[in-house]
Amino acid sequence: GENVEQHPSTLSVQEGDSAVIKCTYSDSASNYFPWYKQELGKRPQLIIDIRSNVGEKKDQRIAVTLNKTAKHFSLHITETQPEDSAVYFCAASSTGRRALTFGSGTRLQVQP
Amino acid sequence: GAVVSQHPSRVICKSGTSVKIECRSLDFQATTMFWYRQFPKQSLMLMATSNEGSKATYEQGVEKDKFLINHASLTLSTLTVTSAHPEDSSFYICSAQPQGAEQYFGPGTRLTVT
Repeated sequence: GENVEQHPSTLSVQEGDSAVIKCTYSDSASNYFPWYKQELGKRPQLIIDIRSNVGEKKDQRIAVTLNKTAKHFSLHITETQPEDSAVYFCAASSTGRRALTFGSGTRLQVQP
Repeated sequence: GAVVSQHPSRVICKSGTSVKIECRSLDFQATTMFWYRQFPKQSLMLMATSNEGSKATYEQGVEKDKFLINHASLTLSTLTVTSAHPEDSSFYICSAQPQGAEQYFGPGTRLTVT
């Protein structure tokens, strides 16, 4: 089955700096790659997603890149703000296996 | 956007008792729903795929006789934790896909077994 690895497990940045979180996946059939932000005790919140026919997607301060050949995708957050502090999860799914396989999570702390 | 609800949001039960958690799609029909479990400071792990009108598909290592799933209608899936033990204490989250690949998550249920 699919295996998604995520790095780093913790990330501390100064307000205004950029943050990058990286994930790799194992199943070449995976074609949907969402990123979630989760605050303590809350449901995961979709912040951006990318499909396998696209190499990059951007939404204001957030961008995701996908390298299908290398089977890795990354989340980029620019101009970080304290409210960006949370746990971020990457995930992957495919048309055949619609359930999500999650990465292990990254705890992002933005220092004011 | 699509809305998924869960009930209850929190439940405390005694060891050996059973607990039922409901997952509802409020504004769409869902032939498939997913149940995830999240232990503190860990990731979400898929427990099972709930299929309307048929048996659920369980992930390896998840006991189907302990975690009973019923998907009796296109808007409701239930997860029953039978003979709960303290190690079953966790955050249980359901999700559904109205269309396309994006999944919509319920707010989660915090189960504490004493």
